[in-house]
Amino acid sequence: QQQVKQSPQSLIVQKGGISIINCAYENTAFDYFPWYQQFPGKGPALLIAIRPDVSEKKEGRFTISFNKSAKQFSLHIMDSQPGDSATYFCAASVWGAQKLVFGQGTRLTINP
Amino acid sequence: GAGVSQTPSNKVTEKGKYVELRCDPISGHTALYWYRQSLGQGPEFLIYFQGTGAADDSGLPNDRFFAVRPEGSVSTLKIQRTERGDSAVYLCASSLTVRSSYNEQFFGPGTRLTVL
Repeated sequence: QQQVKQSPQSLIVQKGGISIINCAYENTAFDYFPWYQQFPGKGPALLIAIRPDVSEKKEGRFTISFNKSAKQFSLHIMDSQPGDSATYFCAASVWGAQKLVFGQGTRLTINP
Repeated sequence: GAGVSQTPSNKVTEKGKYVELRCDPISGHTALYWYRQSLGQGPEFLIYFQGTGAADDSGLPNDRFFAVRPEGSVSTLKIQRTERGDSAVYLCASSLTVRSSYNEQFFGPGTRLTVL
């Protein structure tokens, strides 16, 4: 059972453009939604996270938008740079459960 | 400071063999997690330790998989009678445990296991 669905699988954006990755979840008990960035040969690293009591969170060029009623959340990368080229994973967790449920990943390529 | 380390970085074994994968968490982190990442997929939860005990082992796929953390620090994931389908990158993560907040999980680089 895929509890977190992520799209698109791959994305190509021109330098300076906006990258948008979407996720949808099924379990309404989820209450923590992080995004992870993974470079080849490395483990995932936390990029930004949101709780469902807010609809948006911004950190630098990275923004999470959250729609609780639709059970969807998205990552926006503004002014995308070649160094942002990586695989991005959304995830979700239930408070107290600790384990993360990950989406399938989006391979992002930023063309210079 | 040192991050999460995992050894070996690569392990090639034959079908039916036994393997052990090691994880050294960040010093002071009481929580430790194992995930499995198949090619082109997101990490999949296997087991979570709080201190020395397994608090949640619901992700272990079958009884061929076992993990220990005897002193509350280093953990070993053990796989018996390996199968080709066990081939994946095995990720370890650790975190602090603070009841009042969500605790960021810090991931190691993983061990790439290939079963021939």
